[in-house]
Amino acid sequence: EPEVTQTPSHQVTQMGQEVILRCVPISNHLYFYWYRQILGQKVEFLVSFYNNEISEKSEIFDDQFSVERPDGSNFTLKIRSTKLEDSAMYFCASSDSNYGYTFGSGTRLTVV
Amino acid sequence: GQQLNQSPQSMFIQEGEDVSMNCTSSSIFNTWLWYKQDPGEGPVLLIALYKAGELTSNGRLTAQFGITRKDSFLNISASIPSDVGIYFCAGRTQGAQKLVFGQGTRLTINP
Repeated sequence: EPEVTQTPSHQVTQMGQEVILRCVPISNHLYFYWYRQILGQKVEFLVSFYNNEISEKSEIFDDQFSVERPDGSNFTLKIRSTKLEDSAMYFCASSDSNYGYTFGSGTRLTVV
Repeated sequence: GQQLNQSPQSMFIQEGEDVSMNCTSSSIFNTWLWYKQDPGEGPVLLIALYKAGELTSNGRLTAQFGITRKDSFLNISASIPSDVGIYFCAGRTQGAQKLVFGQGTRLTINP
């Protein structure tokens, strides 16, 4: 069964550093998303991406965040200057329409 | 903003028992999805619902899209140990791409 692949599985970074989280969506999917989940809490929407541009974003997705599809297979989330409160699981997801998503296994980001 | 109220927050049951959980919202949703999340993993889609009143099964799981489009429930029959995990409802409104998630129901099963 096709999968959404995320790397790394765990990233530890110092406060103020830039991090890039990487995702390979399912190959024939057209919609791509990033969500985050702070430990013990619910999953929260960050951003959706379609046709090479951001189509929707939440208030969490401020100027410190950016997304990119640098080639035909990768989809990245960059956090420019990490804060302690950015520590969370970050999930990439993709879909082939406006219906059910497939989520990746996540990247656990720890900011120290 | 849109919120989904999911209940119960946690359930402790005996193996073999049936389970029921639900989500309600003050907003109308056009799609309801139910996900299961195991520790350290991403959410895995269990059932997707696209029409008000729709009742859909996936093995021992059954979910319904409420007729008012403001609620949904998930039932698990004859629970087994591998059903342990956190179950999330998620909804999407007309024209939106984001999913709004409930707070989750943590299911624990005593053998």
